[in-house]
Amino acid sequence: SAVISQKPSRDICQRGTSLTIQCQVDSQVTMMFWYRQQPGQSLTLIATANQGSEATYESGFVIDKFPISRPNLTFSTLTVSNMSPEDSSIYLCSVESLHSYEQYFGPGTRLTVT
Amino acid sequence: DAKTTQPNSMESNEEEPVHLPCNHSTISGTDYIHWYRQLPSQGPEYVIHGLTSNVNNRMASLAIAEDRKSSTLILHRATLRDAAVYYCILIQGAQKLVFGQGTRLTINP
Repeated sequence: SAVISQKPSRDICQRGTSLTIQCQVDSQVTMMFWYRQQPGQSLTLIATANQGSEATYESGFVIDKFPISRPNLTFSTLTVSNMSPEDSSIYLCSVESLHSYEQYFGPGTRLTVT
Repeated sequence: DAKTTQPNSMESNEEEPVHLPCNHSTISGTDYIHWYRQLPSQGPEYVIHGLTSNVNNRMASLAIAEDRKSSTLILHRATLRDAAVYYCILIQGAQKLVFGQGTRLTINP
């Protein structure tokens, strides 16, 4: 299994500012995923990040709002830019297993925008 | 992505079996059926997956209908720690998970 950590675990930010969330994995992985979970809702995929290439964004999400970096096989960042209260959510990263069909999730970053 | 339908909520008693249904009538021949669960204040965790045959692991069993249009996740002896939202997801190859609303399972002591 893969162990995933995220920083920060939670933050309270003012509207108009930006926050960068870090995702660190304890093993090398090809694909990393970023999800958003709005209060009381299910998870929605934001983008898929492969090392060495541009992230692939899902419908409704754009790079200017959610820029992603993937500098190596164990690390990725998601930035939530120009935040508004509607961005208040839990942001989770996940990775695929190299040896099975399992996907492992980080503990999430709880973001509150005031 | 093929769609799944699950009841919004279910309730069961501790130490009793729980059968969580999932309908996926538009499933394609190459779709795998995956189940994940999300415990309170945690990220989702993998439970089990299958293609055509029934599957068992240490956490649960997965019963797949012969026509593959439905499946059932079986928790053989529920505990309070099994209280979670359970998601049934269809995946083809690449592991992009598309989460529906899932079933919120409540376990009564």
